[in-house]
Amino acid sequence: AQTIHQWPVAEIKAVGSPLSLGCTIKGKSSPNLYWYWQATGGTLQQLFYSITVGQVESVVQLNLSASRPKDDQFILSTEKLLLSHSGFYLCAWSPDWGGEQFFGPGTRLTVL
Amino acid sequence: GDSVTQTEGLVTLTKGLPVMLNCTYQTTYSPFLFWYVQHLNEAPKLLLKSSTDNKRTEHQGFYATLHKSSSSFHLQKSSVQLSDSALYFCAMSNYNVLYFGSGTKLTVEP
Repeated sequence: AQTIHQWPVAEIKAVGSPLSLGCTIKGKSSPNLYWYWQATGGTLQQLFYSITVGQVESVVQLNLSASRPKDDQFILSTEKLLLSHSGFYLCAWSPDWGGEQFFGPGTRLTVL
Repeated sequence: GDSVTQTEGLVTLTKGLPVMLNCTYQTTYSPFLFWYVQHLNEAPKLLLKSSTDNKRTEHQGFYATLHKSSSSFHLQKSSVQLSDSALYFCAMSNYNVLYFGSGTKLTVEP
């Protein structure tokens, strides 16, 4: 069975500080990987997707970047946090194009 | 462009009553449609999925039928339970991108 893990569980950061969030999936080789952002009580906005190591595509611009250094790892980062970056960050994976996506437990980010 | 519309932001019902949550979509492709459910402080979980026109799909008492003629994929349940209280999202997949509707918060009261 596949498992998806995100770290950290929660972060409180200052405006202007750097950020790095991680996601690891086990039990599936070469998954498609995704990052999402969700404001409290709001909808989910897809940020990035990756179909293979080293390749990441941006869906929306939110002053964030993503990287896929290993087949099972997806990293979301920024050098300078904004207040608007607060929210719930979710990593997801899918086995193929267009199919359902399975979400990790998420990281709750508060920027003060 | 591609989009998903959910018209009800909040739905409050008494336990045992039926519910229908509306979902319509817009795309030029032949899409996959999904319903996700998200309980408080949890990740969204897949509830239903479909890409087949006019075929009913069911899971955990919920059901939906994709109607391509009306671009709709409404979620229904014949008798809601207290545990159904959650945020429900309709979503549409266009290859690499999953478009979510704005969500419907369902509250079931005793």
